[in-house]
Amino acid sequence: GESVGLHLPTLSVQEGDNSIINCAYSNSASDYFIWYKQESGKGPQFIIDIRSNMDKRQGQRVTVLLNKTVKHLSLQIAATQPGDSAVYFCAETTDSWGKLQFGAGTQVVVTP
Amino acid sequence: ETGVTQSPTHLIKTRGQQVTLRCSSQSGHNTVSWYQQALGQGPQFIFQYYREEENGRGNFPPRFSGLQFPNYSSELNVNALELDDSALYLCASSLGGGQGETQYFGPGTRLLVL
Repeated sequence: GESVGLHLPTLSVQEGDNSIINCAYSNSASDYFIWYKQESGKGPQFIIDIRSNMDKRQGQRVTVLLNKTVKHLSLQIAATQPGDSAVYFCAETTDSWGKLQFGAGTQVVVTP
Repeated sequence: ETGVTQSPTHLIKTRGQQVTLRCSSQSGHNTVSWYQQALGQGPQFIFQYYREEENGRGNFPPRFSGLQFPNYSSELNVNALELDDSALYLCASSLGGGQGETQYFGPGTRLLVL
């Protein structure tokens, strides 16, 4: 079936380096994509979103890239900090009422 | 903080029992969505309520039911609890029920079924 998946379950990054988290989606009808960050014991926290009519969007220290040709989404975190250690989820919506479909997540571990 | 609150934070039940979880949406938001998150997995959509009506439902059995109140707070009820219902239950509120409306999550309720 249609799904959102992540390439790597765990990403180890040195403090100060840039992080790149990848996500593949298979539903060509997906129109809206969101990245969430989830710290241990907390609910998912919205990071950044992008609509299918865009290919790049920037926030504070984060950039999301969307490649509709290969159905690929990535989240770039600049100058990764210890507080960035968390599980990152990409999610997509295709339904008119905004049901989120999540992947399994990527654990980002920031090392000193 | 998102302004979305959930209660209780933790709950232990035994198989066959019933449970009610509660969610208060962010001020001004009229839509609440519920998700189940098993350990080590992404959240799975249960259902969404928009202006007190169920607006969509995921692949969950009828023993999962919900309500939304005039103040847009919401309840998730699960009857005849099974061991596999052990999970983190998340609610998310949004300004509307449409695609592209950002959903803001609460901290979740951790349910353990023994």
